[in-house]
Amino acid sequence: EAQVTQNPRYLITVTGKKLTVTCSQNMNHEYMSWYRQDPGLGLRQIYYSMNVEVTDKGDVPEGYKVSRKEKRNFPLILESPSPNQTSLYFCASSLYGTNVLTFGAGSRLTVL
Amino acid sequence: SQQGEEDPQALSIQEGENATMNCSYKTSINNLQWYRQNSGRGLVHLILIRSNEREKHSGRLRVTLDTSKKSSSLLITASRAADTASYFCATDATSGTYKYIFGTGTRLKVLA
Repeated sequence: EAQVTQNPRYLITVTGKKLTVTCSQNMNHEYMSWYRQDPGLGLRQIYYSMNVEVTDKGDVPEGYKVSRKEKRNFPLILESPSPNQTSLYFCASSLYGTNVLTFGAGSRLTVL
Repeated sequence: SQQGEEDPQALSIQEGENATMNCSYKTSINNLQWYRQNSGRGLVHLILIRSNEREKHSGRLRVTLDTSKKSSSLLITASRAADTASYFCATDATSGTYKYIFGTGTRLKVLA
């Protein structure tokens, strides 16, 4: 089944403890992106990647890192999480040129 | 940065009625998309309309785009309880940065 898989789906952590949210897609999509969703703010783009080793900042990149070493994977790294990073995170991918995003099921992160 | 704003923020209708939601954006676009999100889950692509198109249909969905007013509307005809969800518009900048901008969404509730 064509899909975007995120892990973990739920995580409670503490301030400063590094964590990684993984994202993997099996559709050979070139484009991948991370969003966070907060009440009243909609989805805001954190980082995106046009292809392997090509990444760029979205609108809210502060406090996050990404890497794209393989086409299928696009992990989101929080080096030192803070409570304002408590949010619902979505990974999405797209076949270059189609503009249609396929989303993962989401990862709900709570930072205490 | 450009941002989509949906209107209304929330809408409650009876099953069988039509639901209309609107999206406004600020800058020129290549295309505009509509996505649906069931409570806390991943977004699902509904329909894409390009900047040179004025109207598009897909099943019970009808989308219009007015680039002179920088606005779009999504009409769901003969609504069903299963249409209960949040609906988001998303735009991409003409600069080709692949920075998709999502609106804050319209929460639709269809009463059986």
